[in-house]
Amino acid sequence: SAVISQKPSRDICQRGTSLTIQCQVDSQVTMMFWYRQQPGQSLTLIATANQGSEATYESGFVIDKFPISRPNLTFSTLTVSNMSPEDSSIYLCSVEHRVDTGELFFGEGSRLTVL
Amino acid sequence: QQQVKQSPQSLIVQKGGISIINCAYENTAFDYFPWYQQFPGKGPALLIAIRPDVSEKKEGRFTISFNKSAKQFSLHIMDSQPGDSATYFCAASQEGFKTIFGAGTRLFVKA
Repeated sequence: SAVISQKPSRDICQRGTSLTIQCQVDSQVTMMFWYRQQPGQSLTLIATANQGSEATYESGFVIDKFPISRPNLTFSTLTVSNMSPEDSSIYLCSVEHRVDTGELFFGEGSRLTVL
Repeated sequence: QQQVKQSPQSLIVQKGGISIINCAYENTAFDYFPWYQQFPGKGPALLIAIRPDVSEKKEGRFTISFNKSAKQFSLHIMDSQPGDSATYFCAASQEGFKTIFGAGTRLFVKA
């Protein structure tokens, strides 16, 4: 299995500001993902964080709003830019520990509230 | 065609009873069908998973039943306990493509 640490675990932010969420994995992984989970809802994939290249974004998510870094095989960051109350959500980092198994491991999430 | 439809949205079961959650999919290329369990304030955790070459998989009190022809799969929780109270997500994926999650089922087991 993989142990995933996310920081911050929660934060309250002001409208118009940006916040960066960090994800650290205890082992090298090829596939890292960022998900959004709105209260009481399912998981929506934001993007796949690619090591050494630009992230691959899903429909409805853009790099200017959610810039992602992946400097190595154990670490990634997601920035939520120019936040509005609609960005209030839980953001989850996820990894596929063993390539092509489909098995995902998740961090505990970062709960953001935008006022 | 990429959707995974999950039901019910919520479920209340007596302690010791059987909890059943159902999912249906359309994409016949899916080859991995996991169930994730999520407690409040935590990330989802893999509970049990099945591949389409078998019709059933059991791990302790948790069983997945898989019906390939009907494109349906379900999670059965036997002898449900209050500690099983959580949100359960079914999912489906194929190699090289993203995982598709169901909408989730909130299970509450009454003591």
